[in-house]
Amino acid sequence: QKEVEQDPGPLSVPEGAIVSLNCTYSNSAFQYFMWYRQYSRKGPELLMYTYSSGNKEDGRFTAQVDKSSKYISLFIRDSQPSDSATYLCAMMSRGGTYKYIFGTGTRLKVLA
Amino acid sequence: DADVTQTPRNRITKTGKRIMLECSQTKGHDRMYWYRQDPGLGLRLIYYSFDVKDINKGEISDGYSVSRQAQAKFSLSLESAIPNQTALYFCATSDNPGDYGYTFGSGTRLTVV
Repeated sequence: QKEVEQDPGPLSVPEGAIVSLNCTYSNSAFQYFMWYRQYSRKGPELLMYTYSSGNKEDGRFTAQVDKSSKYISLFIRDSQPSDSATYLCAMMSRGGTYKYIFGTGTRLKVLA
Repeated sequence: DADVTQTPRNRITKTGKRIMLECSQTKGHDRMYWYRQDPGLGLRLIYYSFDVKDINKGEISDGYSVSRQAQAKFSLSLESAIPNQTALYFCATSDNPGDYGYTFGSGTRLTVV
């Protein structure tokens, strides 16, 4: 079993839809949770990060962490064609063994 | 100029050849990383360096070596390239200790024939 699981998609939605992207994980030592966006032929860029459980909002993006269920989500409101990209979750543990693991990414297509 | 620059952007090489991928950064970060990305497998860590004198193996270091020439430069070598090293390679940097986000380069697409 992988430490981080992410549905690869592709996920196609119409412009303006609310998008929900998710990751599950198995290692309870993870404390920091990140979302990256990767456009074709580019490197991933950090979108949001959250420490421990709870929600964090930034414009149209909301990151949610549920440590009890080992489940994280990224919501995109009013999705735009420019949001079409691959979204990768990532998780980090500190203290003891340093570990930073990426999910395999979910490909999102927002249709105009 | 990009914060993290990788060269070359694309490379085709033959089996058995030695090849070096280079990475330089202007972020002033101490930590640098090399990843490879394959479809369905995501990003996997090859090597990482927390400062100039510190080099650590990642999960898939066999067949690779690295050199940290300066705080800003971190190169990855394939001593004898093989076809299953065909992949997209990314260099990344991060600050210590408060920055949990990585800054990635644009990647090198390597094909070994």
